[in-house]
Amino acid sequence: DAKTTQPPSMDCAEGRAANLPCNHSTISGNEYVYWYRQIHSQGPQYIIHGLKNNETNEMASLIITEDRKSSTLILPHATLRDTAVYYCIVRVARTGANNLFFGTGTRLTVIP
Amino acid sequence: DVKVTQSSRYLVKRTGEKVFLECVQDMDHENMFWYRQDPGLGLRLIYFSYDVKMKEKGDIPEGYSVSREKKERFSLILESASTNQTSMYLCASWDNNSPLHFGNGTRLTVT
Repeated sequence: DAKTTQPPSMDCAEGRAANLPCNHSTISGNEYVYWYRQIHSQGPQYIIHGLKNNETNEMASLIITEDRKSSTLILPHATLRDTAVYYCIVRVARTGANNLFFGTGTRLTVIP
Repeated sequence: DVKVTQSSRYLVKRTGEKVFLECVQDMDHENMFWYRQDPGLGLRLIYFSYDVKMKEKGDIPEGYSVSREKKERFSLILESASTNQTSMYLCASWDNNSPLHFGNGTRLTVT
């Protein structure tokens, strides 16, 4: 599975959009991009995923570049509760052995 | 909603003890995973299983073993706990058409 790289930390003002980038330059054609976040002392929480089209759900939007080598998670109106570590991972949706690479993620701090 | 339940939130064990960490999922997922999480190192995969009685080593399997006797249950075993195994342990499960779902973790301290 492809590896990902993310900036270690970012700040965002409360109420503004938070844009979290992720590079996955070695991604394969059948690998999905997944985003998770982890609030202190809890397990990671699923946010959104996509293959090549942009996706939106009630939590966030996911923008994937045309060459699929990078993506951006957008939290449209960040709140203090969005302060967390955000992980971008890629995985192949297939049966059998799966090995994921989580990396160290981006620590997002939402500032009042 | 998928639920992944880890039996303990906090555990304190002594060096040399045998430790069992239990994980149960309720969505009939084939794939289950054990990670450990340490500051500055992110999540590292210890073992995973894609079927009953099947297991595969992850990135850091040394000092650990696993058991998958039933589809819903995946156990992580520390045969002889050591202080460098003090960590947060996270269990996860998924199937082909679902995201990876995590439990809330077990914070293990080995003294």
